[in-house]
Amino acid sequence: KAGVTQTPRYLIKTRGQQVTLSCSPISGHRSVSWYQQTPGQGLQFLFEYFSETQRNKGNFPGRFSGRQFSNSRSEMNVSTLELGDSALYLCASREGLGAPSGVQYFGPGTRLTVT
Amino acid sequence: GDSVTQMEGPVTLSEEAFLTINCTYTATGYPSLFWYVQYPGEGLQLLLKATKADDKGSNKGFEATYRKETTSFHLEKGSVQVSDSAVYFCALSVAGGSYIPTFGRGTSLIVHP
Repeated sequence: KAGVTQTPRYLIKTRGQQVTLSCSPISGHRSVSWYQQTPGQGLQFLFEYFSETQRNKGNFPGRFSGRQFSNSRSEMNVSTLELGDSALYLCASREGLGAPSGVQYFGPGTRLTVT
Repeated sequence: GDSVTQMEGPVTLSEEAFLTINCTYTATGYPSLFWYVQYPGEGLQLLLKATKADDKGSNKGFEATYRKETTSFHLEKGSVQVSDSAVYFCALSVAGGSYIPTFGRGTSLIVHP
């Protein structure tokens, strides 16, 4: 089975712009989560989508939003970019909300740089 | 709330040295415990897991034992290789909740030839 894929892998944006990142989960996985990884804060949970509905949400401002499509692919959007949004954004998938033991499968990430 | 505390890195070792990365946790319920590894330029991947007390997870020569009495899940390897250089994350998820893992801050391991 193909793994989790994320596009683009690298992105450079200017402060104030918006950005959309894409994630395709492992075939058959219906849950997609997004994380922000920075040297200062580590790995922080953004949100999780299941069956096109947001099921769990981390502590991030409303500038961060997402959606999931009927084929389980997901997009994450960040509006009005700030310098502090520079990070590695990781997508992870799992089979379902009640997946035993909470194992997640991660993509390689999108490296976002805001200048 | 749930939390995971890992030893700060980087941990620098010579090849064939013994590795220990400490991890302790606080959980509101009965957690499953995990170690994930992130190689340079890649996402995280599951290294090993344990779902109940006294279970030992193992993979690729790495081991960790679920110690409920000390709320710990320390990662060990008897003889590290240069290829083990990576960032290691300890994590937990609690049954009956969202199963979203809570991650530690990560510990960077650098292995020199």
